[in-house]
Amino acid sequence: GAVVSQHPSRVICKSGTSVKIECRSLDFQATTMFWYRQFPKQSLMLMATSNEGSKATYEQGVEKDKFLINHASLTLSTLTVTSAHPEDSSFYICSALKRGGLSDTQYFGPGTRLTVL
Amino acid sequence: GQSLEQPSEVTAVEGAIVQINCTYQTSGFYGLSWYQQHDGGAPTFLSYNGLDGLEETGRFSSFLSRSDSYGYLLLQELQMKDSASYFCAVDGGSQGNLIFGKGTKLSVKP
Repeated sequence: GAVVSQHPSRVICKSGTSVKIECRSLDFQATTMFWYRQFPKQSLMLMATSNEGSKATYEQGVEKDKFLINHASLTLSTLTVTSAHPEDSSFYICSALKRGGLSDTQYFGPGTRLTVL
Repeated sequence: GQSLEQPSEVTAVEGAIVQINCTYQTSGFYGLSWYQQHDGGAPTFLSYNGLDGLEETGRFSSFLSRSDSYGYLLLQELQMKDSASYFCAVDGGSQGNLIFGKGTKLSVKP
């Protein structure tokens, strides 16, 4: 299998502060990682695609200046929620793409539950 | 637009077999994946179909018909621990990004 870690698992912060979430692929290199957001009882919504060594690609409606993504190495991508507000409270999940001969598979991190007060 | 349709809820009893269908309409298609997500947890990968036909992994099987834009996940010998949400997801492009369905909440009763 493949292991992806995410840190922190849970964070509570005050409105207006910034929060950084780390996503690491532990046993494989991932040139591509993805960031998703999931609201209660809803599906995962792709926020952005993070590519090592280049700028992230954001989905329509996702503010790139608010959700800063840095893919610093082949095993680490970070998502920074800047000036967080209560409406940003959500479950943030990253995934790392493991490329294979026949198919590519996304492996998900355990998620980060963000609560903004 | 792009859409994936799957039932919102399914209920079954222990030991039974359940099939979760997924139809999709996307601009690109490289394959169909299935993920399991327990309440409060992250999705875990179950299976992938890149070609038509059936893929079997233990108690779980997944089927794809590209001509019908249709696939299903088959869960056999249901156990209580199978109670979770199941998402189908289309691999829509060369970047490997996934488009998720809304999920099917499976409840397994004793």
